[in-house]
Amino acid sequence: ELKVEQNPLFLSMQEGKNYTIYCNYSTTSDRLYWYRQDPGKSLESLFVLLSNGAVKQEGRLMASLDTKARLSTLHITAAVHDLSATYFCAGEAGNQFYFGTGTSLTVIP
Amino acid sequence: DTGVSQDPRHKITKRGQNVTFRCDPISEHNRLYWYRQTLGQGPEFLTYFQNEAQLEKSRLLSDRFSAERPKGSFSTLEIQRTEQGDSAMYLCASSQVGEQYFGPGTRLTVT
Repeated sequence: ELKVEQNPLFLSMQEGKNYTIYCNYSTTSDRLYWYRQDPGKSLESLFVLLSNGAVKQEGRLMASLDTKARLSTLHITAAVHDLSATYFCAGEAGNQFYFGTGTSLTVIP
Repeated sequence: DTGVSQDPRHKITKRGQNVTFRCDPISEHNRLYWYRQTLGQGPEFLTYFQNEAQLEKSRLLSDRFSAERPKGSFSTLEIQRTEQGDSAMYLCASSQVGEQYFGPGTRLTVT
């Protein structure tokens, strides 16, 4: 079974600062996904990372994948309040998706 | 297409009652997943369909849980003899290959 671990679990950061969320996974994963979830809402897909070295960027968020290290990162640049949410990474093995416990991000003025 | 829809959005039931949830996936998606999410946790995989065939089922899934996707379109998840520990958000997702699209979820409260 694929184990997915995220850190930190909670992150409070000031507007305008940069930070990185880390996602480690235990065994080979076919793909690596990042999702965002707002309180009481469902999950919104952010990025799909398909291969080693993959890097994707959307606005202030950038995700990368190192399959050799079994590590994915989500980098936040110049945080703004609208980025406050919980971020999940998920690995795919076979037909199953395995989610981390999430990183709850709060951006404070 | 308006995305994945789920019904009901909220369900309150008494312990011991049966409940059924419905999920309508994005129409061209042949894959459908059910997840359970509790507060402060990531979604936990329950089961997976490809078209009408149920191909994966979590080992953690109690015999009280059953899911169907009779015509390869919508799916239902039934929980029999509900317990308080079943209280959670039940999420449905669909995909063609890879990236999943999630529905809004059904929040179940067992009293």
